[in-house]
Amino acid sequence: EVQLMESGGDLAQPGGSLRLSCAASGFTFESFGMTWVRQAPGKGLEWVSAISGGGESTYYADSVRGRFTISRDNSKRTLFLHISGLRAEDTAVYYCATSSGGFFADWGQGTLVTVSS
Amino acid sequence: SYVMNQPPSVSVAPGKTATITCGGNNIGSKSVHWYQQKPGQAPVLVIYYNSDRPSGIPERFSGSNSENTATLTISRVEAGDEADYYCQVWDAGSEHRVFGGGTTLTVL
Repeated sequence: EVQLMESGGDLAQPGGSLRLSCAASGFTFESFGMTWVRQAPGKGLEWVSAISGGGESTYYADSVRGRFTISRDNSKRTLFLHISGLRAEDTAVYYCATSSGGFFADWGQGTLVTVSS
Repeated sequence: SYVMNQPPSVSVAPGKTATITCGGNNIGSKSVHWYQQKPGQAPVLVIYYNSDRPSGIPERFSGSNSENTATLTISRVEAGDEADYYCQVWDAGSEHRVFGGGTTLTVL
């Protein structure tokens, strides 16, 4: 059974930084691309970033490029999202998901990031 | 970036058929995927590659895609189908994954 568990969400100040993690189990982690999707309170889903199975290719939404960095450690079966220059509009639940064939088959339960002074 | 439009809400009586649309420029040339999200829960993939169903998704869920509109159809709607539904594509030009704005399905 595929399991994805996010962590690292917290209350942070504008301009601050956070690192989100996503621990994976139940599948061959290095064979799958991975993605981050976020959802602001009461809003729809927004794709944030994606990374290939080997980590050599990364992709970012225009709204986060230059501030967010996606990475992975296949030896630890963990996906990361480093967020810097936090803004109020980054407040959201952040989900990690497997990314294969352009769709997201399996999702974690999400971790909440709140940006406020 | 590619834009897709969904109606904000759709209402249907139990046992009837719900149709949720996702409009986009020449969306018929893309592969469309659909997700169901219930309150307080993570999204669940219900249709991929326009019309394929993941294991565990009832046959009542089906999808189609042609020209400028993709459609998610839910037959014999049940109270448990009440949720938000999102369409999603991979935009090859920008390498972006894109979601529609979402549709809230209400079972009357």
